[in-house]
Amino acid sequence: DTEVTQTPKHLVMGMTNKKSLKCEQHMGHRAMYWYKQKAKKPPELMFVYSYEKLSINESVPSRFSPECPNSSLLNLHLHALQPEDSALYLCASSQDLRFAGGAISTDTQYFGPGTRLTVL
Amino acid sequence: GNSVTQMEGPVTLSEEAFLTINCTYTATGYPSLFWYVQYPGEGLQLLLKATKADDKGSNKGFEATYRKETTSFHLEKGSVQVSDSAVYFCALSVPSNTGNQFYFGTGTSLTVIP
Repeated sequence: DTEVTQTPKHLVMGMTNKKSLKCEQHMGHRAMYWYKQKAKKPPELMFVYSYEKLSINESVPSRFSPECPNSSLLNLHLHALQPEDSALYLCASSQDLRFAGGAISTDTQYFGPGTRLTVL
Repeated sequence: GNSVTQMEGPVTLSEEAFLTINCTYTATGYPSLFWYVQYPGEGLQLLLKATKADDKGSNKGFEATYRKETTSFHLEKGSVQVSDSAVYFCALSVPSNTGNQFYFGTGTSLTVIP
């Protein structure tokens, strides 16, 4: 099973709302990712969690707040978003195999179907 | 640094035509290379991958060979179908101490007409 699930599928929110996106995987992966994708563009990395710890934050505005409650779940909390934040938000997961010397494997990332977010 | 350059689209082909989407890369270290496909309204699906030089990835009639000498990973299919209409992303991943970070190409939109 290589499934990553995301809820909700669609979300419309106002600029003063607080909402959360959820992502779940049961493949035993220890690395999870949030990406933002605008129309006709490649995904842009936002955050990486490795062993439930935030390892990469690509200078994302604080109105996006990630959370990894356990190794299977990843949340993205949204607050005071702007209309330009409207996009497809993708979650992904991968194995996180650490080698001697600290390097991490280049394993496949498995993507969820995404949440289509519209900010009014 | 690490980057992927993908041929510009959109590409429009007739059914049963031959497909090539070019992808070249620059990378430090020893990258793995991937092709992902994104159908309208969906997330990215892994199409195929190769983890070392001269490896050939294949799936659903698509193929790509990891060419270190030309730093390329071109996607090919001998006979495309209407159902292959999608956006195709070439990507690379290089080991690092900060995580399994992917570098995506800009994507190539393919439309196959009956």
